[in-house]
Amino acid sequence: SQQGEEDPQALSIQEGENATMNCSYKTSINNLQWYRQNSGRGLVHLILIRSNEREKHSGRLRVTLDTSKKSSSLLITASRAADTASYFCATDAVVTDKLIFGTGTRLQVFP
Amino acid sequence: ETGVTQSPTHLIKTRGQQVTLRCSSQSGHNTVSWYQQALGQGPQFIFQYYREEENGRGNFPPRFSGLQFPNYSSELNVNALELDDSALYLCASSGSDTDTQYFGPGTRLTVL
Repeated sequence: SQQGEEDPQALSIQEGENATMNCSYKTSINNLQWYRQNSGRGLVHLILIRSNEREKHSGRLRVTLDTSKKSSSLLITASRAADTASYFCATDAVVTDKLIFGTGTRLQVFP
Repeated sequence: ETGVTQSPTHLIKTRGQQVTLRCSSQSGHNTVSWYQQALGQGPQFIFQYYREEENGRGNFPPRFSGLQFPNYSSELNVNALELDDSALYLCASSGSDTDTQYFGPGTRLTVL
């Protein structure tokens, strides 16, 4: 079963615009991670945020975590065509201590 | 490149057959996790191996089994293949000092 749900399922934007993806989850977590996947290939780890953190930055990426609402958001600023991919959140649940992935957001960035 | 490799890249089997997928973990990593990703879905956790022992299992039937070897490489075996087993199979390795998992490129399995 999927722990997380991403919203929106699909997002289309122009180069230079910002892209925001949201993730909701169900159980208490140790951390939440975001991954990117290009065209059905392997996943690339983007960023990890721990349950006691509220915001984290990495280059053009900004992740927020609200444990009271069991939700997270990923912001990609100044998007590029190369950002076109599927983005998944994955939660490391306290109970299972294993990564559980959400359903993903498909991002299309047009030049 | 994560340093995690998987073989083969693609595989076509027929219903009822058996398949073995292989994964070489990143140097220094002692944990390997396997995931099944159906088309348009997120990866689903199959099981994890830590130092050659199974360390957690998802909601998959016993015909999905695995091994981890002393060099921490791993195999995923699936018996009595069903059409619904068609998917991308991903392995990921991680070390004791990190919560981050590093994924291989995956094996695309098609069951006819």
